[in-house]
Amino acid sequence: EDKVVQSPLSLVVHEGDTVTLNCSYEVTNFRSLLWYKQEKKAPTFLFMLTSSGIEKKSGRLSSILDKKELSSILNITATQTGDSAIYLCAALLGGSQGNLIFGKGTKLSVKP
Amino acid sequence: SQTIHQWPATLVQPVGSPLSLECTVEGTSNPNLYWYRQAAGRGLQLLFYSVGIGQISSEVPQNLSASRPQDRQFILSSKKLLLSDSGFYLCAWSVPGQPQHFGDGTRLSIL
Repeated sequence: EDKVVQSPLSLVVHEGDTVTLNCSYEVTNFRSLLWYKQEKKAPTFLFMLTSSGIEKKSGRLSSILDKKELSSILNITATQTGDSAIYLCAALLGGSQGNLIFGKGTKLSVKP
Repeated sequence: SQTIHQWPATLVQPVGSPLSLECTVEGTSNPNLYWYRQAAGRGLQLLFYSVGIGQISSEVPQNLSASRPQDRQFILSSKKLLLSDSGFYLCAWSVPGQPQHFGDGTRLSIL
């Protein structure tokens, strides 16, 4: 059965800390690994990773995929209270359907 | 640019009543469309997806159904709601190989 596992499930840090969120996957028809940020409503897209070892960056956020270890990490440096959210990892399957298998998410709380 | 609209934002319904949630996409043609449910403390569970008008695939057996009467319209329905249908329902769209983009969701409470 296809599955995506995220760790930790929740995390509390203080502003300015650096955090690393983990995601591992076991899927039979893997295409890419996606990260989303969910605050109160819709998950918003952060990164899509298809090639192993190539870091993607957006401001203080960065992510990288390790296809040998079937895993990905999301790093957030110099955290701010606005980074508080649930971070979702998902495996995009091959094929025209474009189905995603989601992990349960990591709930990040950043304290001032 | 593409946008996705989902309504209503919140809904409170009695057990046994019918349900209709609607989702529309603008700015793209023939998108893949998806319905998810998100329970508290859990990830997103895919309920239905559609690759074209009238083409619906169900991922889990349940009390719900979906329809796609037009290219950019996706509807989630139920004839009789159960308590277990409570949750946060999200609609999403994508084109093959690209990220899915989500609507703002409907928070459904069954009393």
